[in-house]
Amino acid sequence: KQEVTQIPAALSVPEGENLVLNCSFTDSAIYNLQWFRQDPGKGLTSLLLIQSSQREQTSGRLNASLDKSSGRSTLYIAASQPGDSATYLCAVASNTGNQFYFGTGTSLTVIP
Amino acid sequence: DGGITQSPKYLFRKEGQNVTLSCEQNLNHDAMYWYRQDPGQGLRLIYYSQIVNDFQKGDIAEGYSVSREKKESFPLTVTSAQKNPTAFYLCASSIERGYEQYFGPGTRLTVT
Repeated sequence: KQEVTQIPAALSVPEGENLVLNCSFTDSAIYNLQWFRQDPGKGLTSLLLIQSSQREQTSGRLNASLDKSSGRSTLYIAASQPGDSATYLCAVASNTGNQFYFGTGTSLTVIP
Repeated sequence: DGGITQSPKYLFRKEGQNVTLSCEQNLNHDAMYWYRQDPGQGLRLIYYSQIVNDFQKGDIAEGYSVSREKKESFPLTVTSAQKNPTAFYLCASSIERGYEQYFGPGTRLTVT
């Protein structure tokens, strides 16, 4: 069964800093990988989706990379802002696309 | 305004009672999903449906039931057989299996 790990569990950075969040998975046979943001007590907001054939995706200040062979993905956030404070989750879709496996998330705090 | 709605936002029930959580989407998505989120754990898949009148068990289906009579609706019933039902429940949809998932705002269920 796919296991998804996110390190670190929590991260605190000063405003303006660039940062990297990590996601690793045990089975490289994936359909895609999706990064989400979750604010306290809320649902998940999709940030980026990387298909298994892609290496990276970019949206604004966010850049996600995927290295399937090593079972890793990173989410790079440039010029962090206090509004970026949230929990970031990655989810890996099984090779059939039927099921998604989630990490436990990284709680990010950006200090003004 | 397209999206996923879940109701109610908060739900309180006595132990031994069945309770049904609502999930509606107007995105014209074929696939719908129910997840459970507990503190310190990643989201876990309860049930998913790829098409009307068809659904499959996820990793933690015991004590739950679903129906998919309409494309727009995927209600989840938490039965009295679910041993630890208190959790945050999230509904999601995607245009079809394996595609980008969109989440509703969640329902927080408390059973005492």
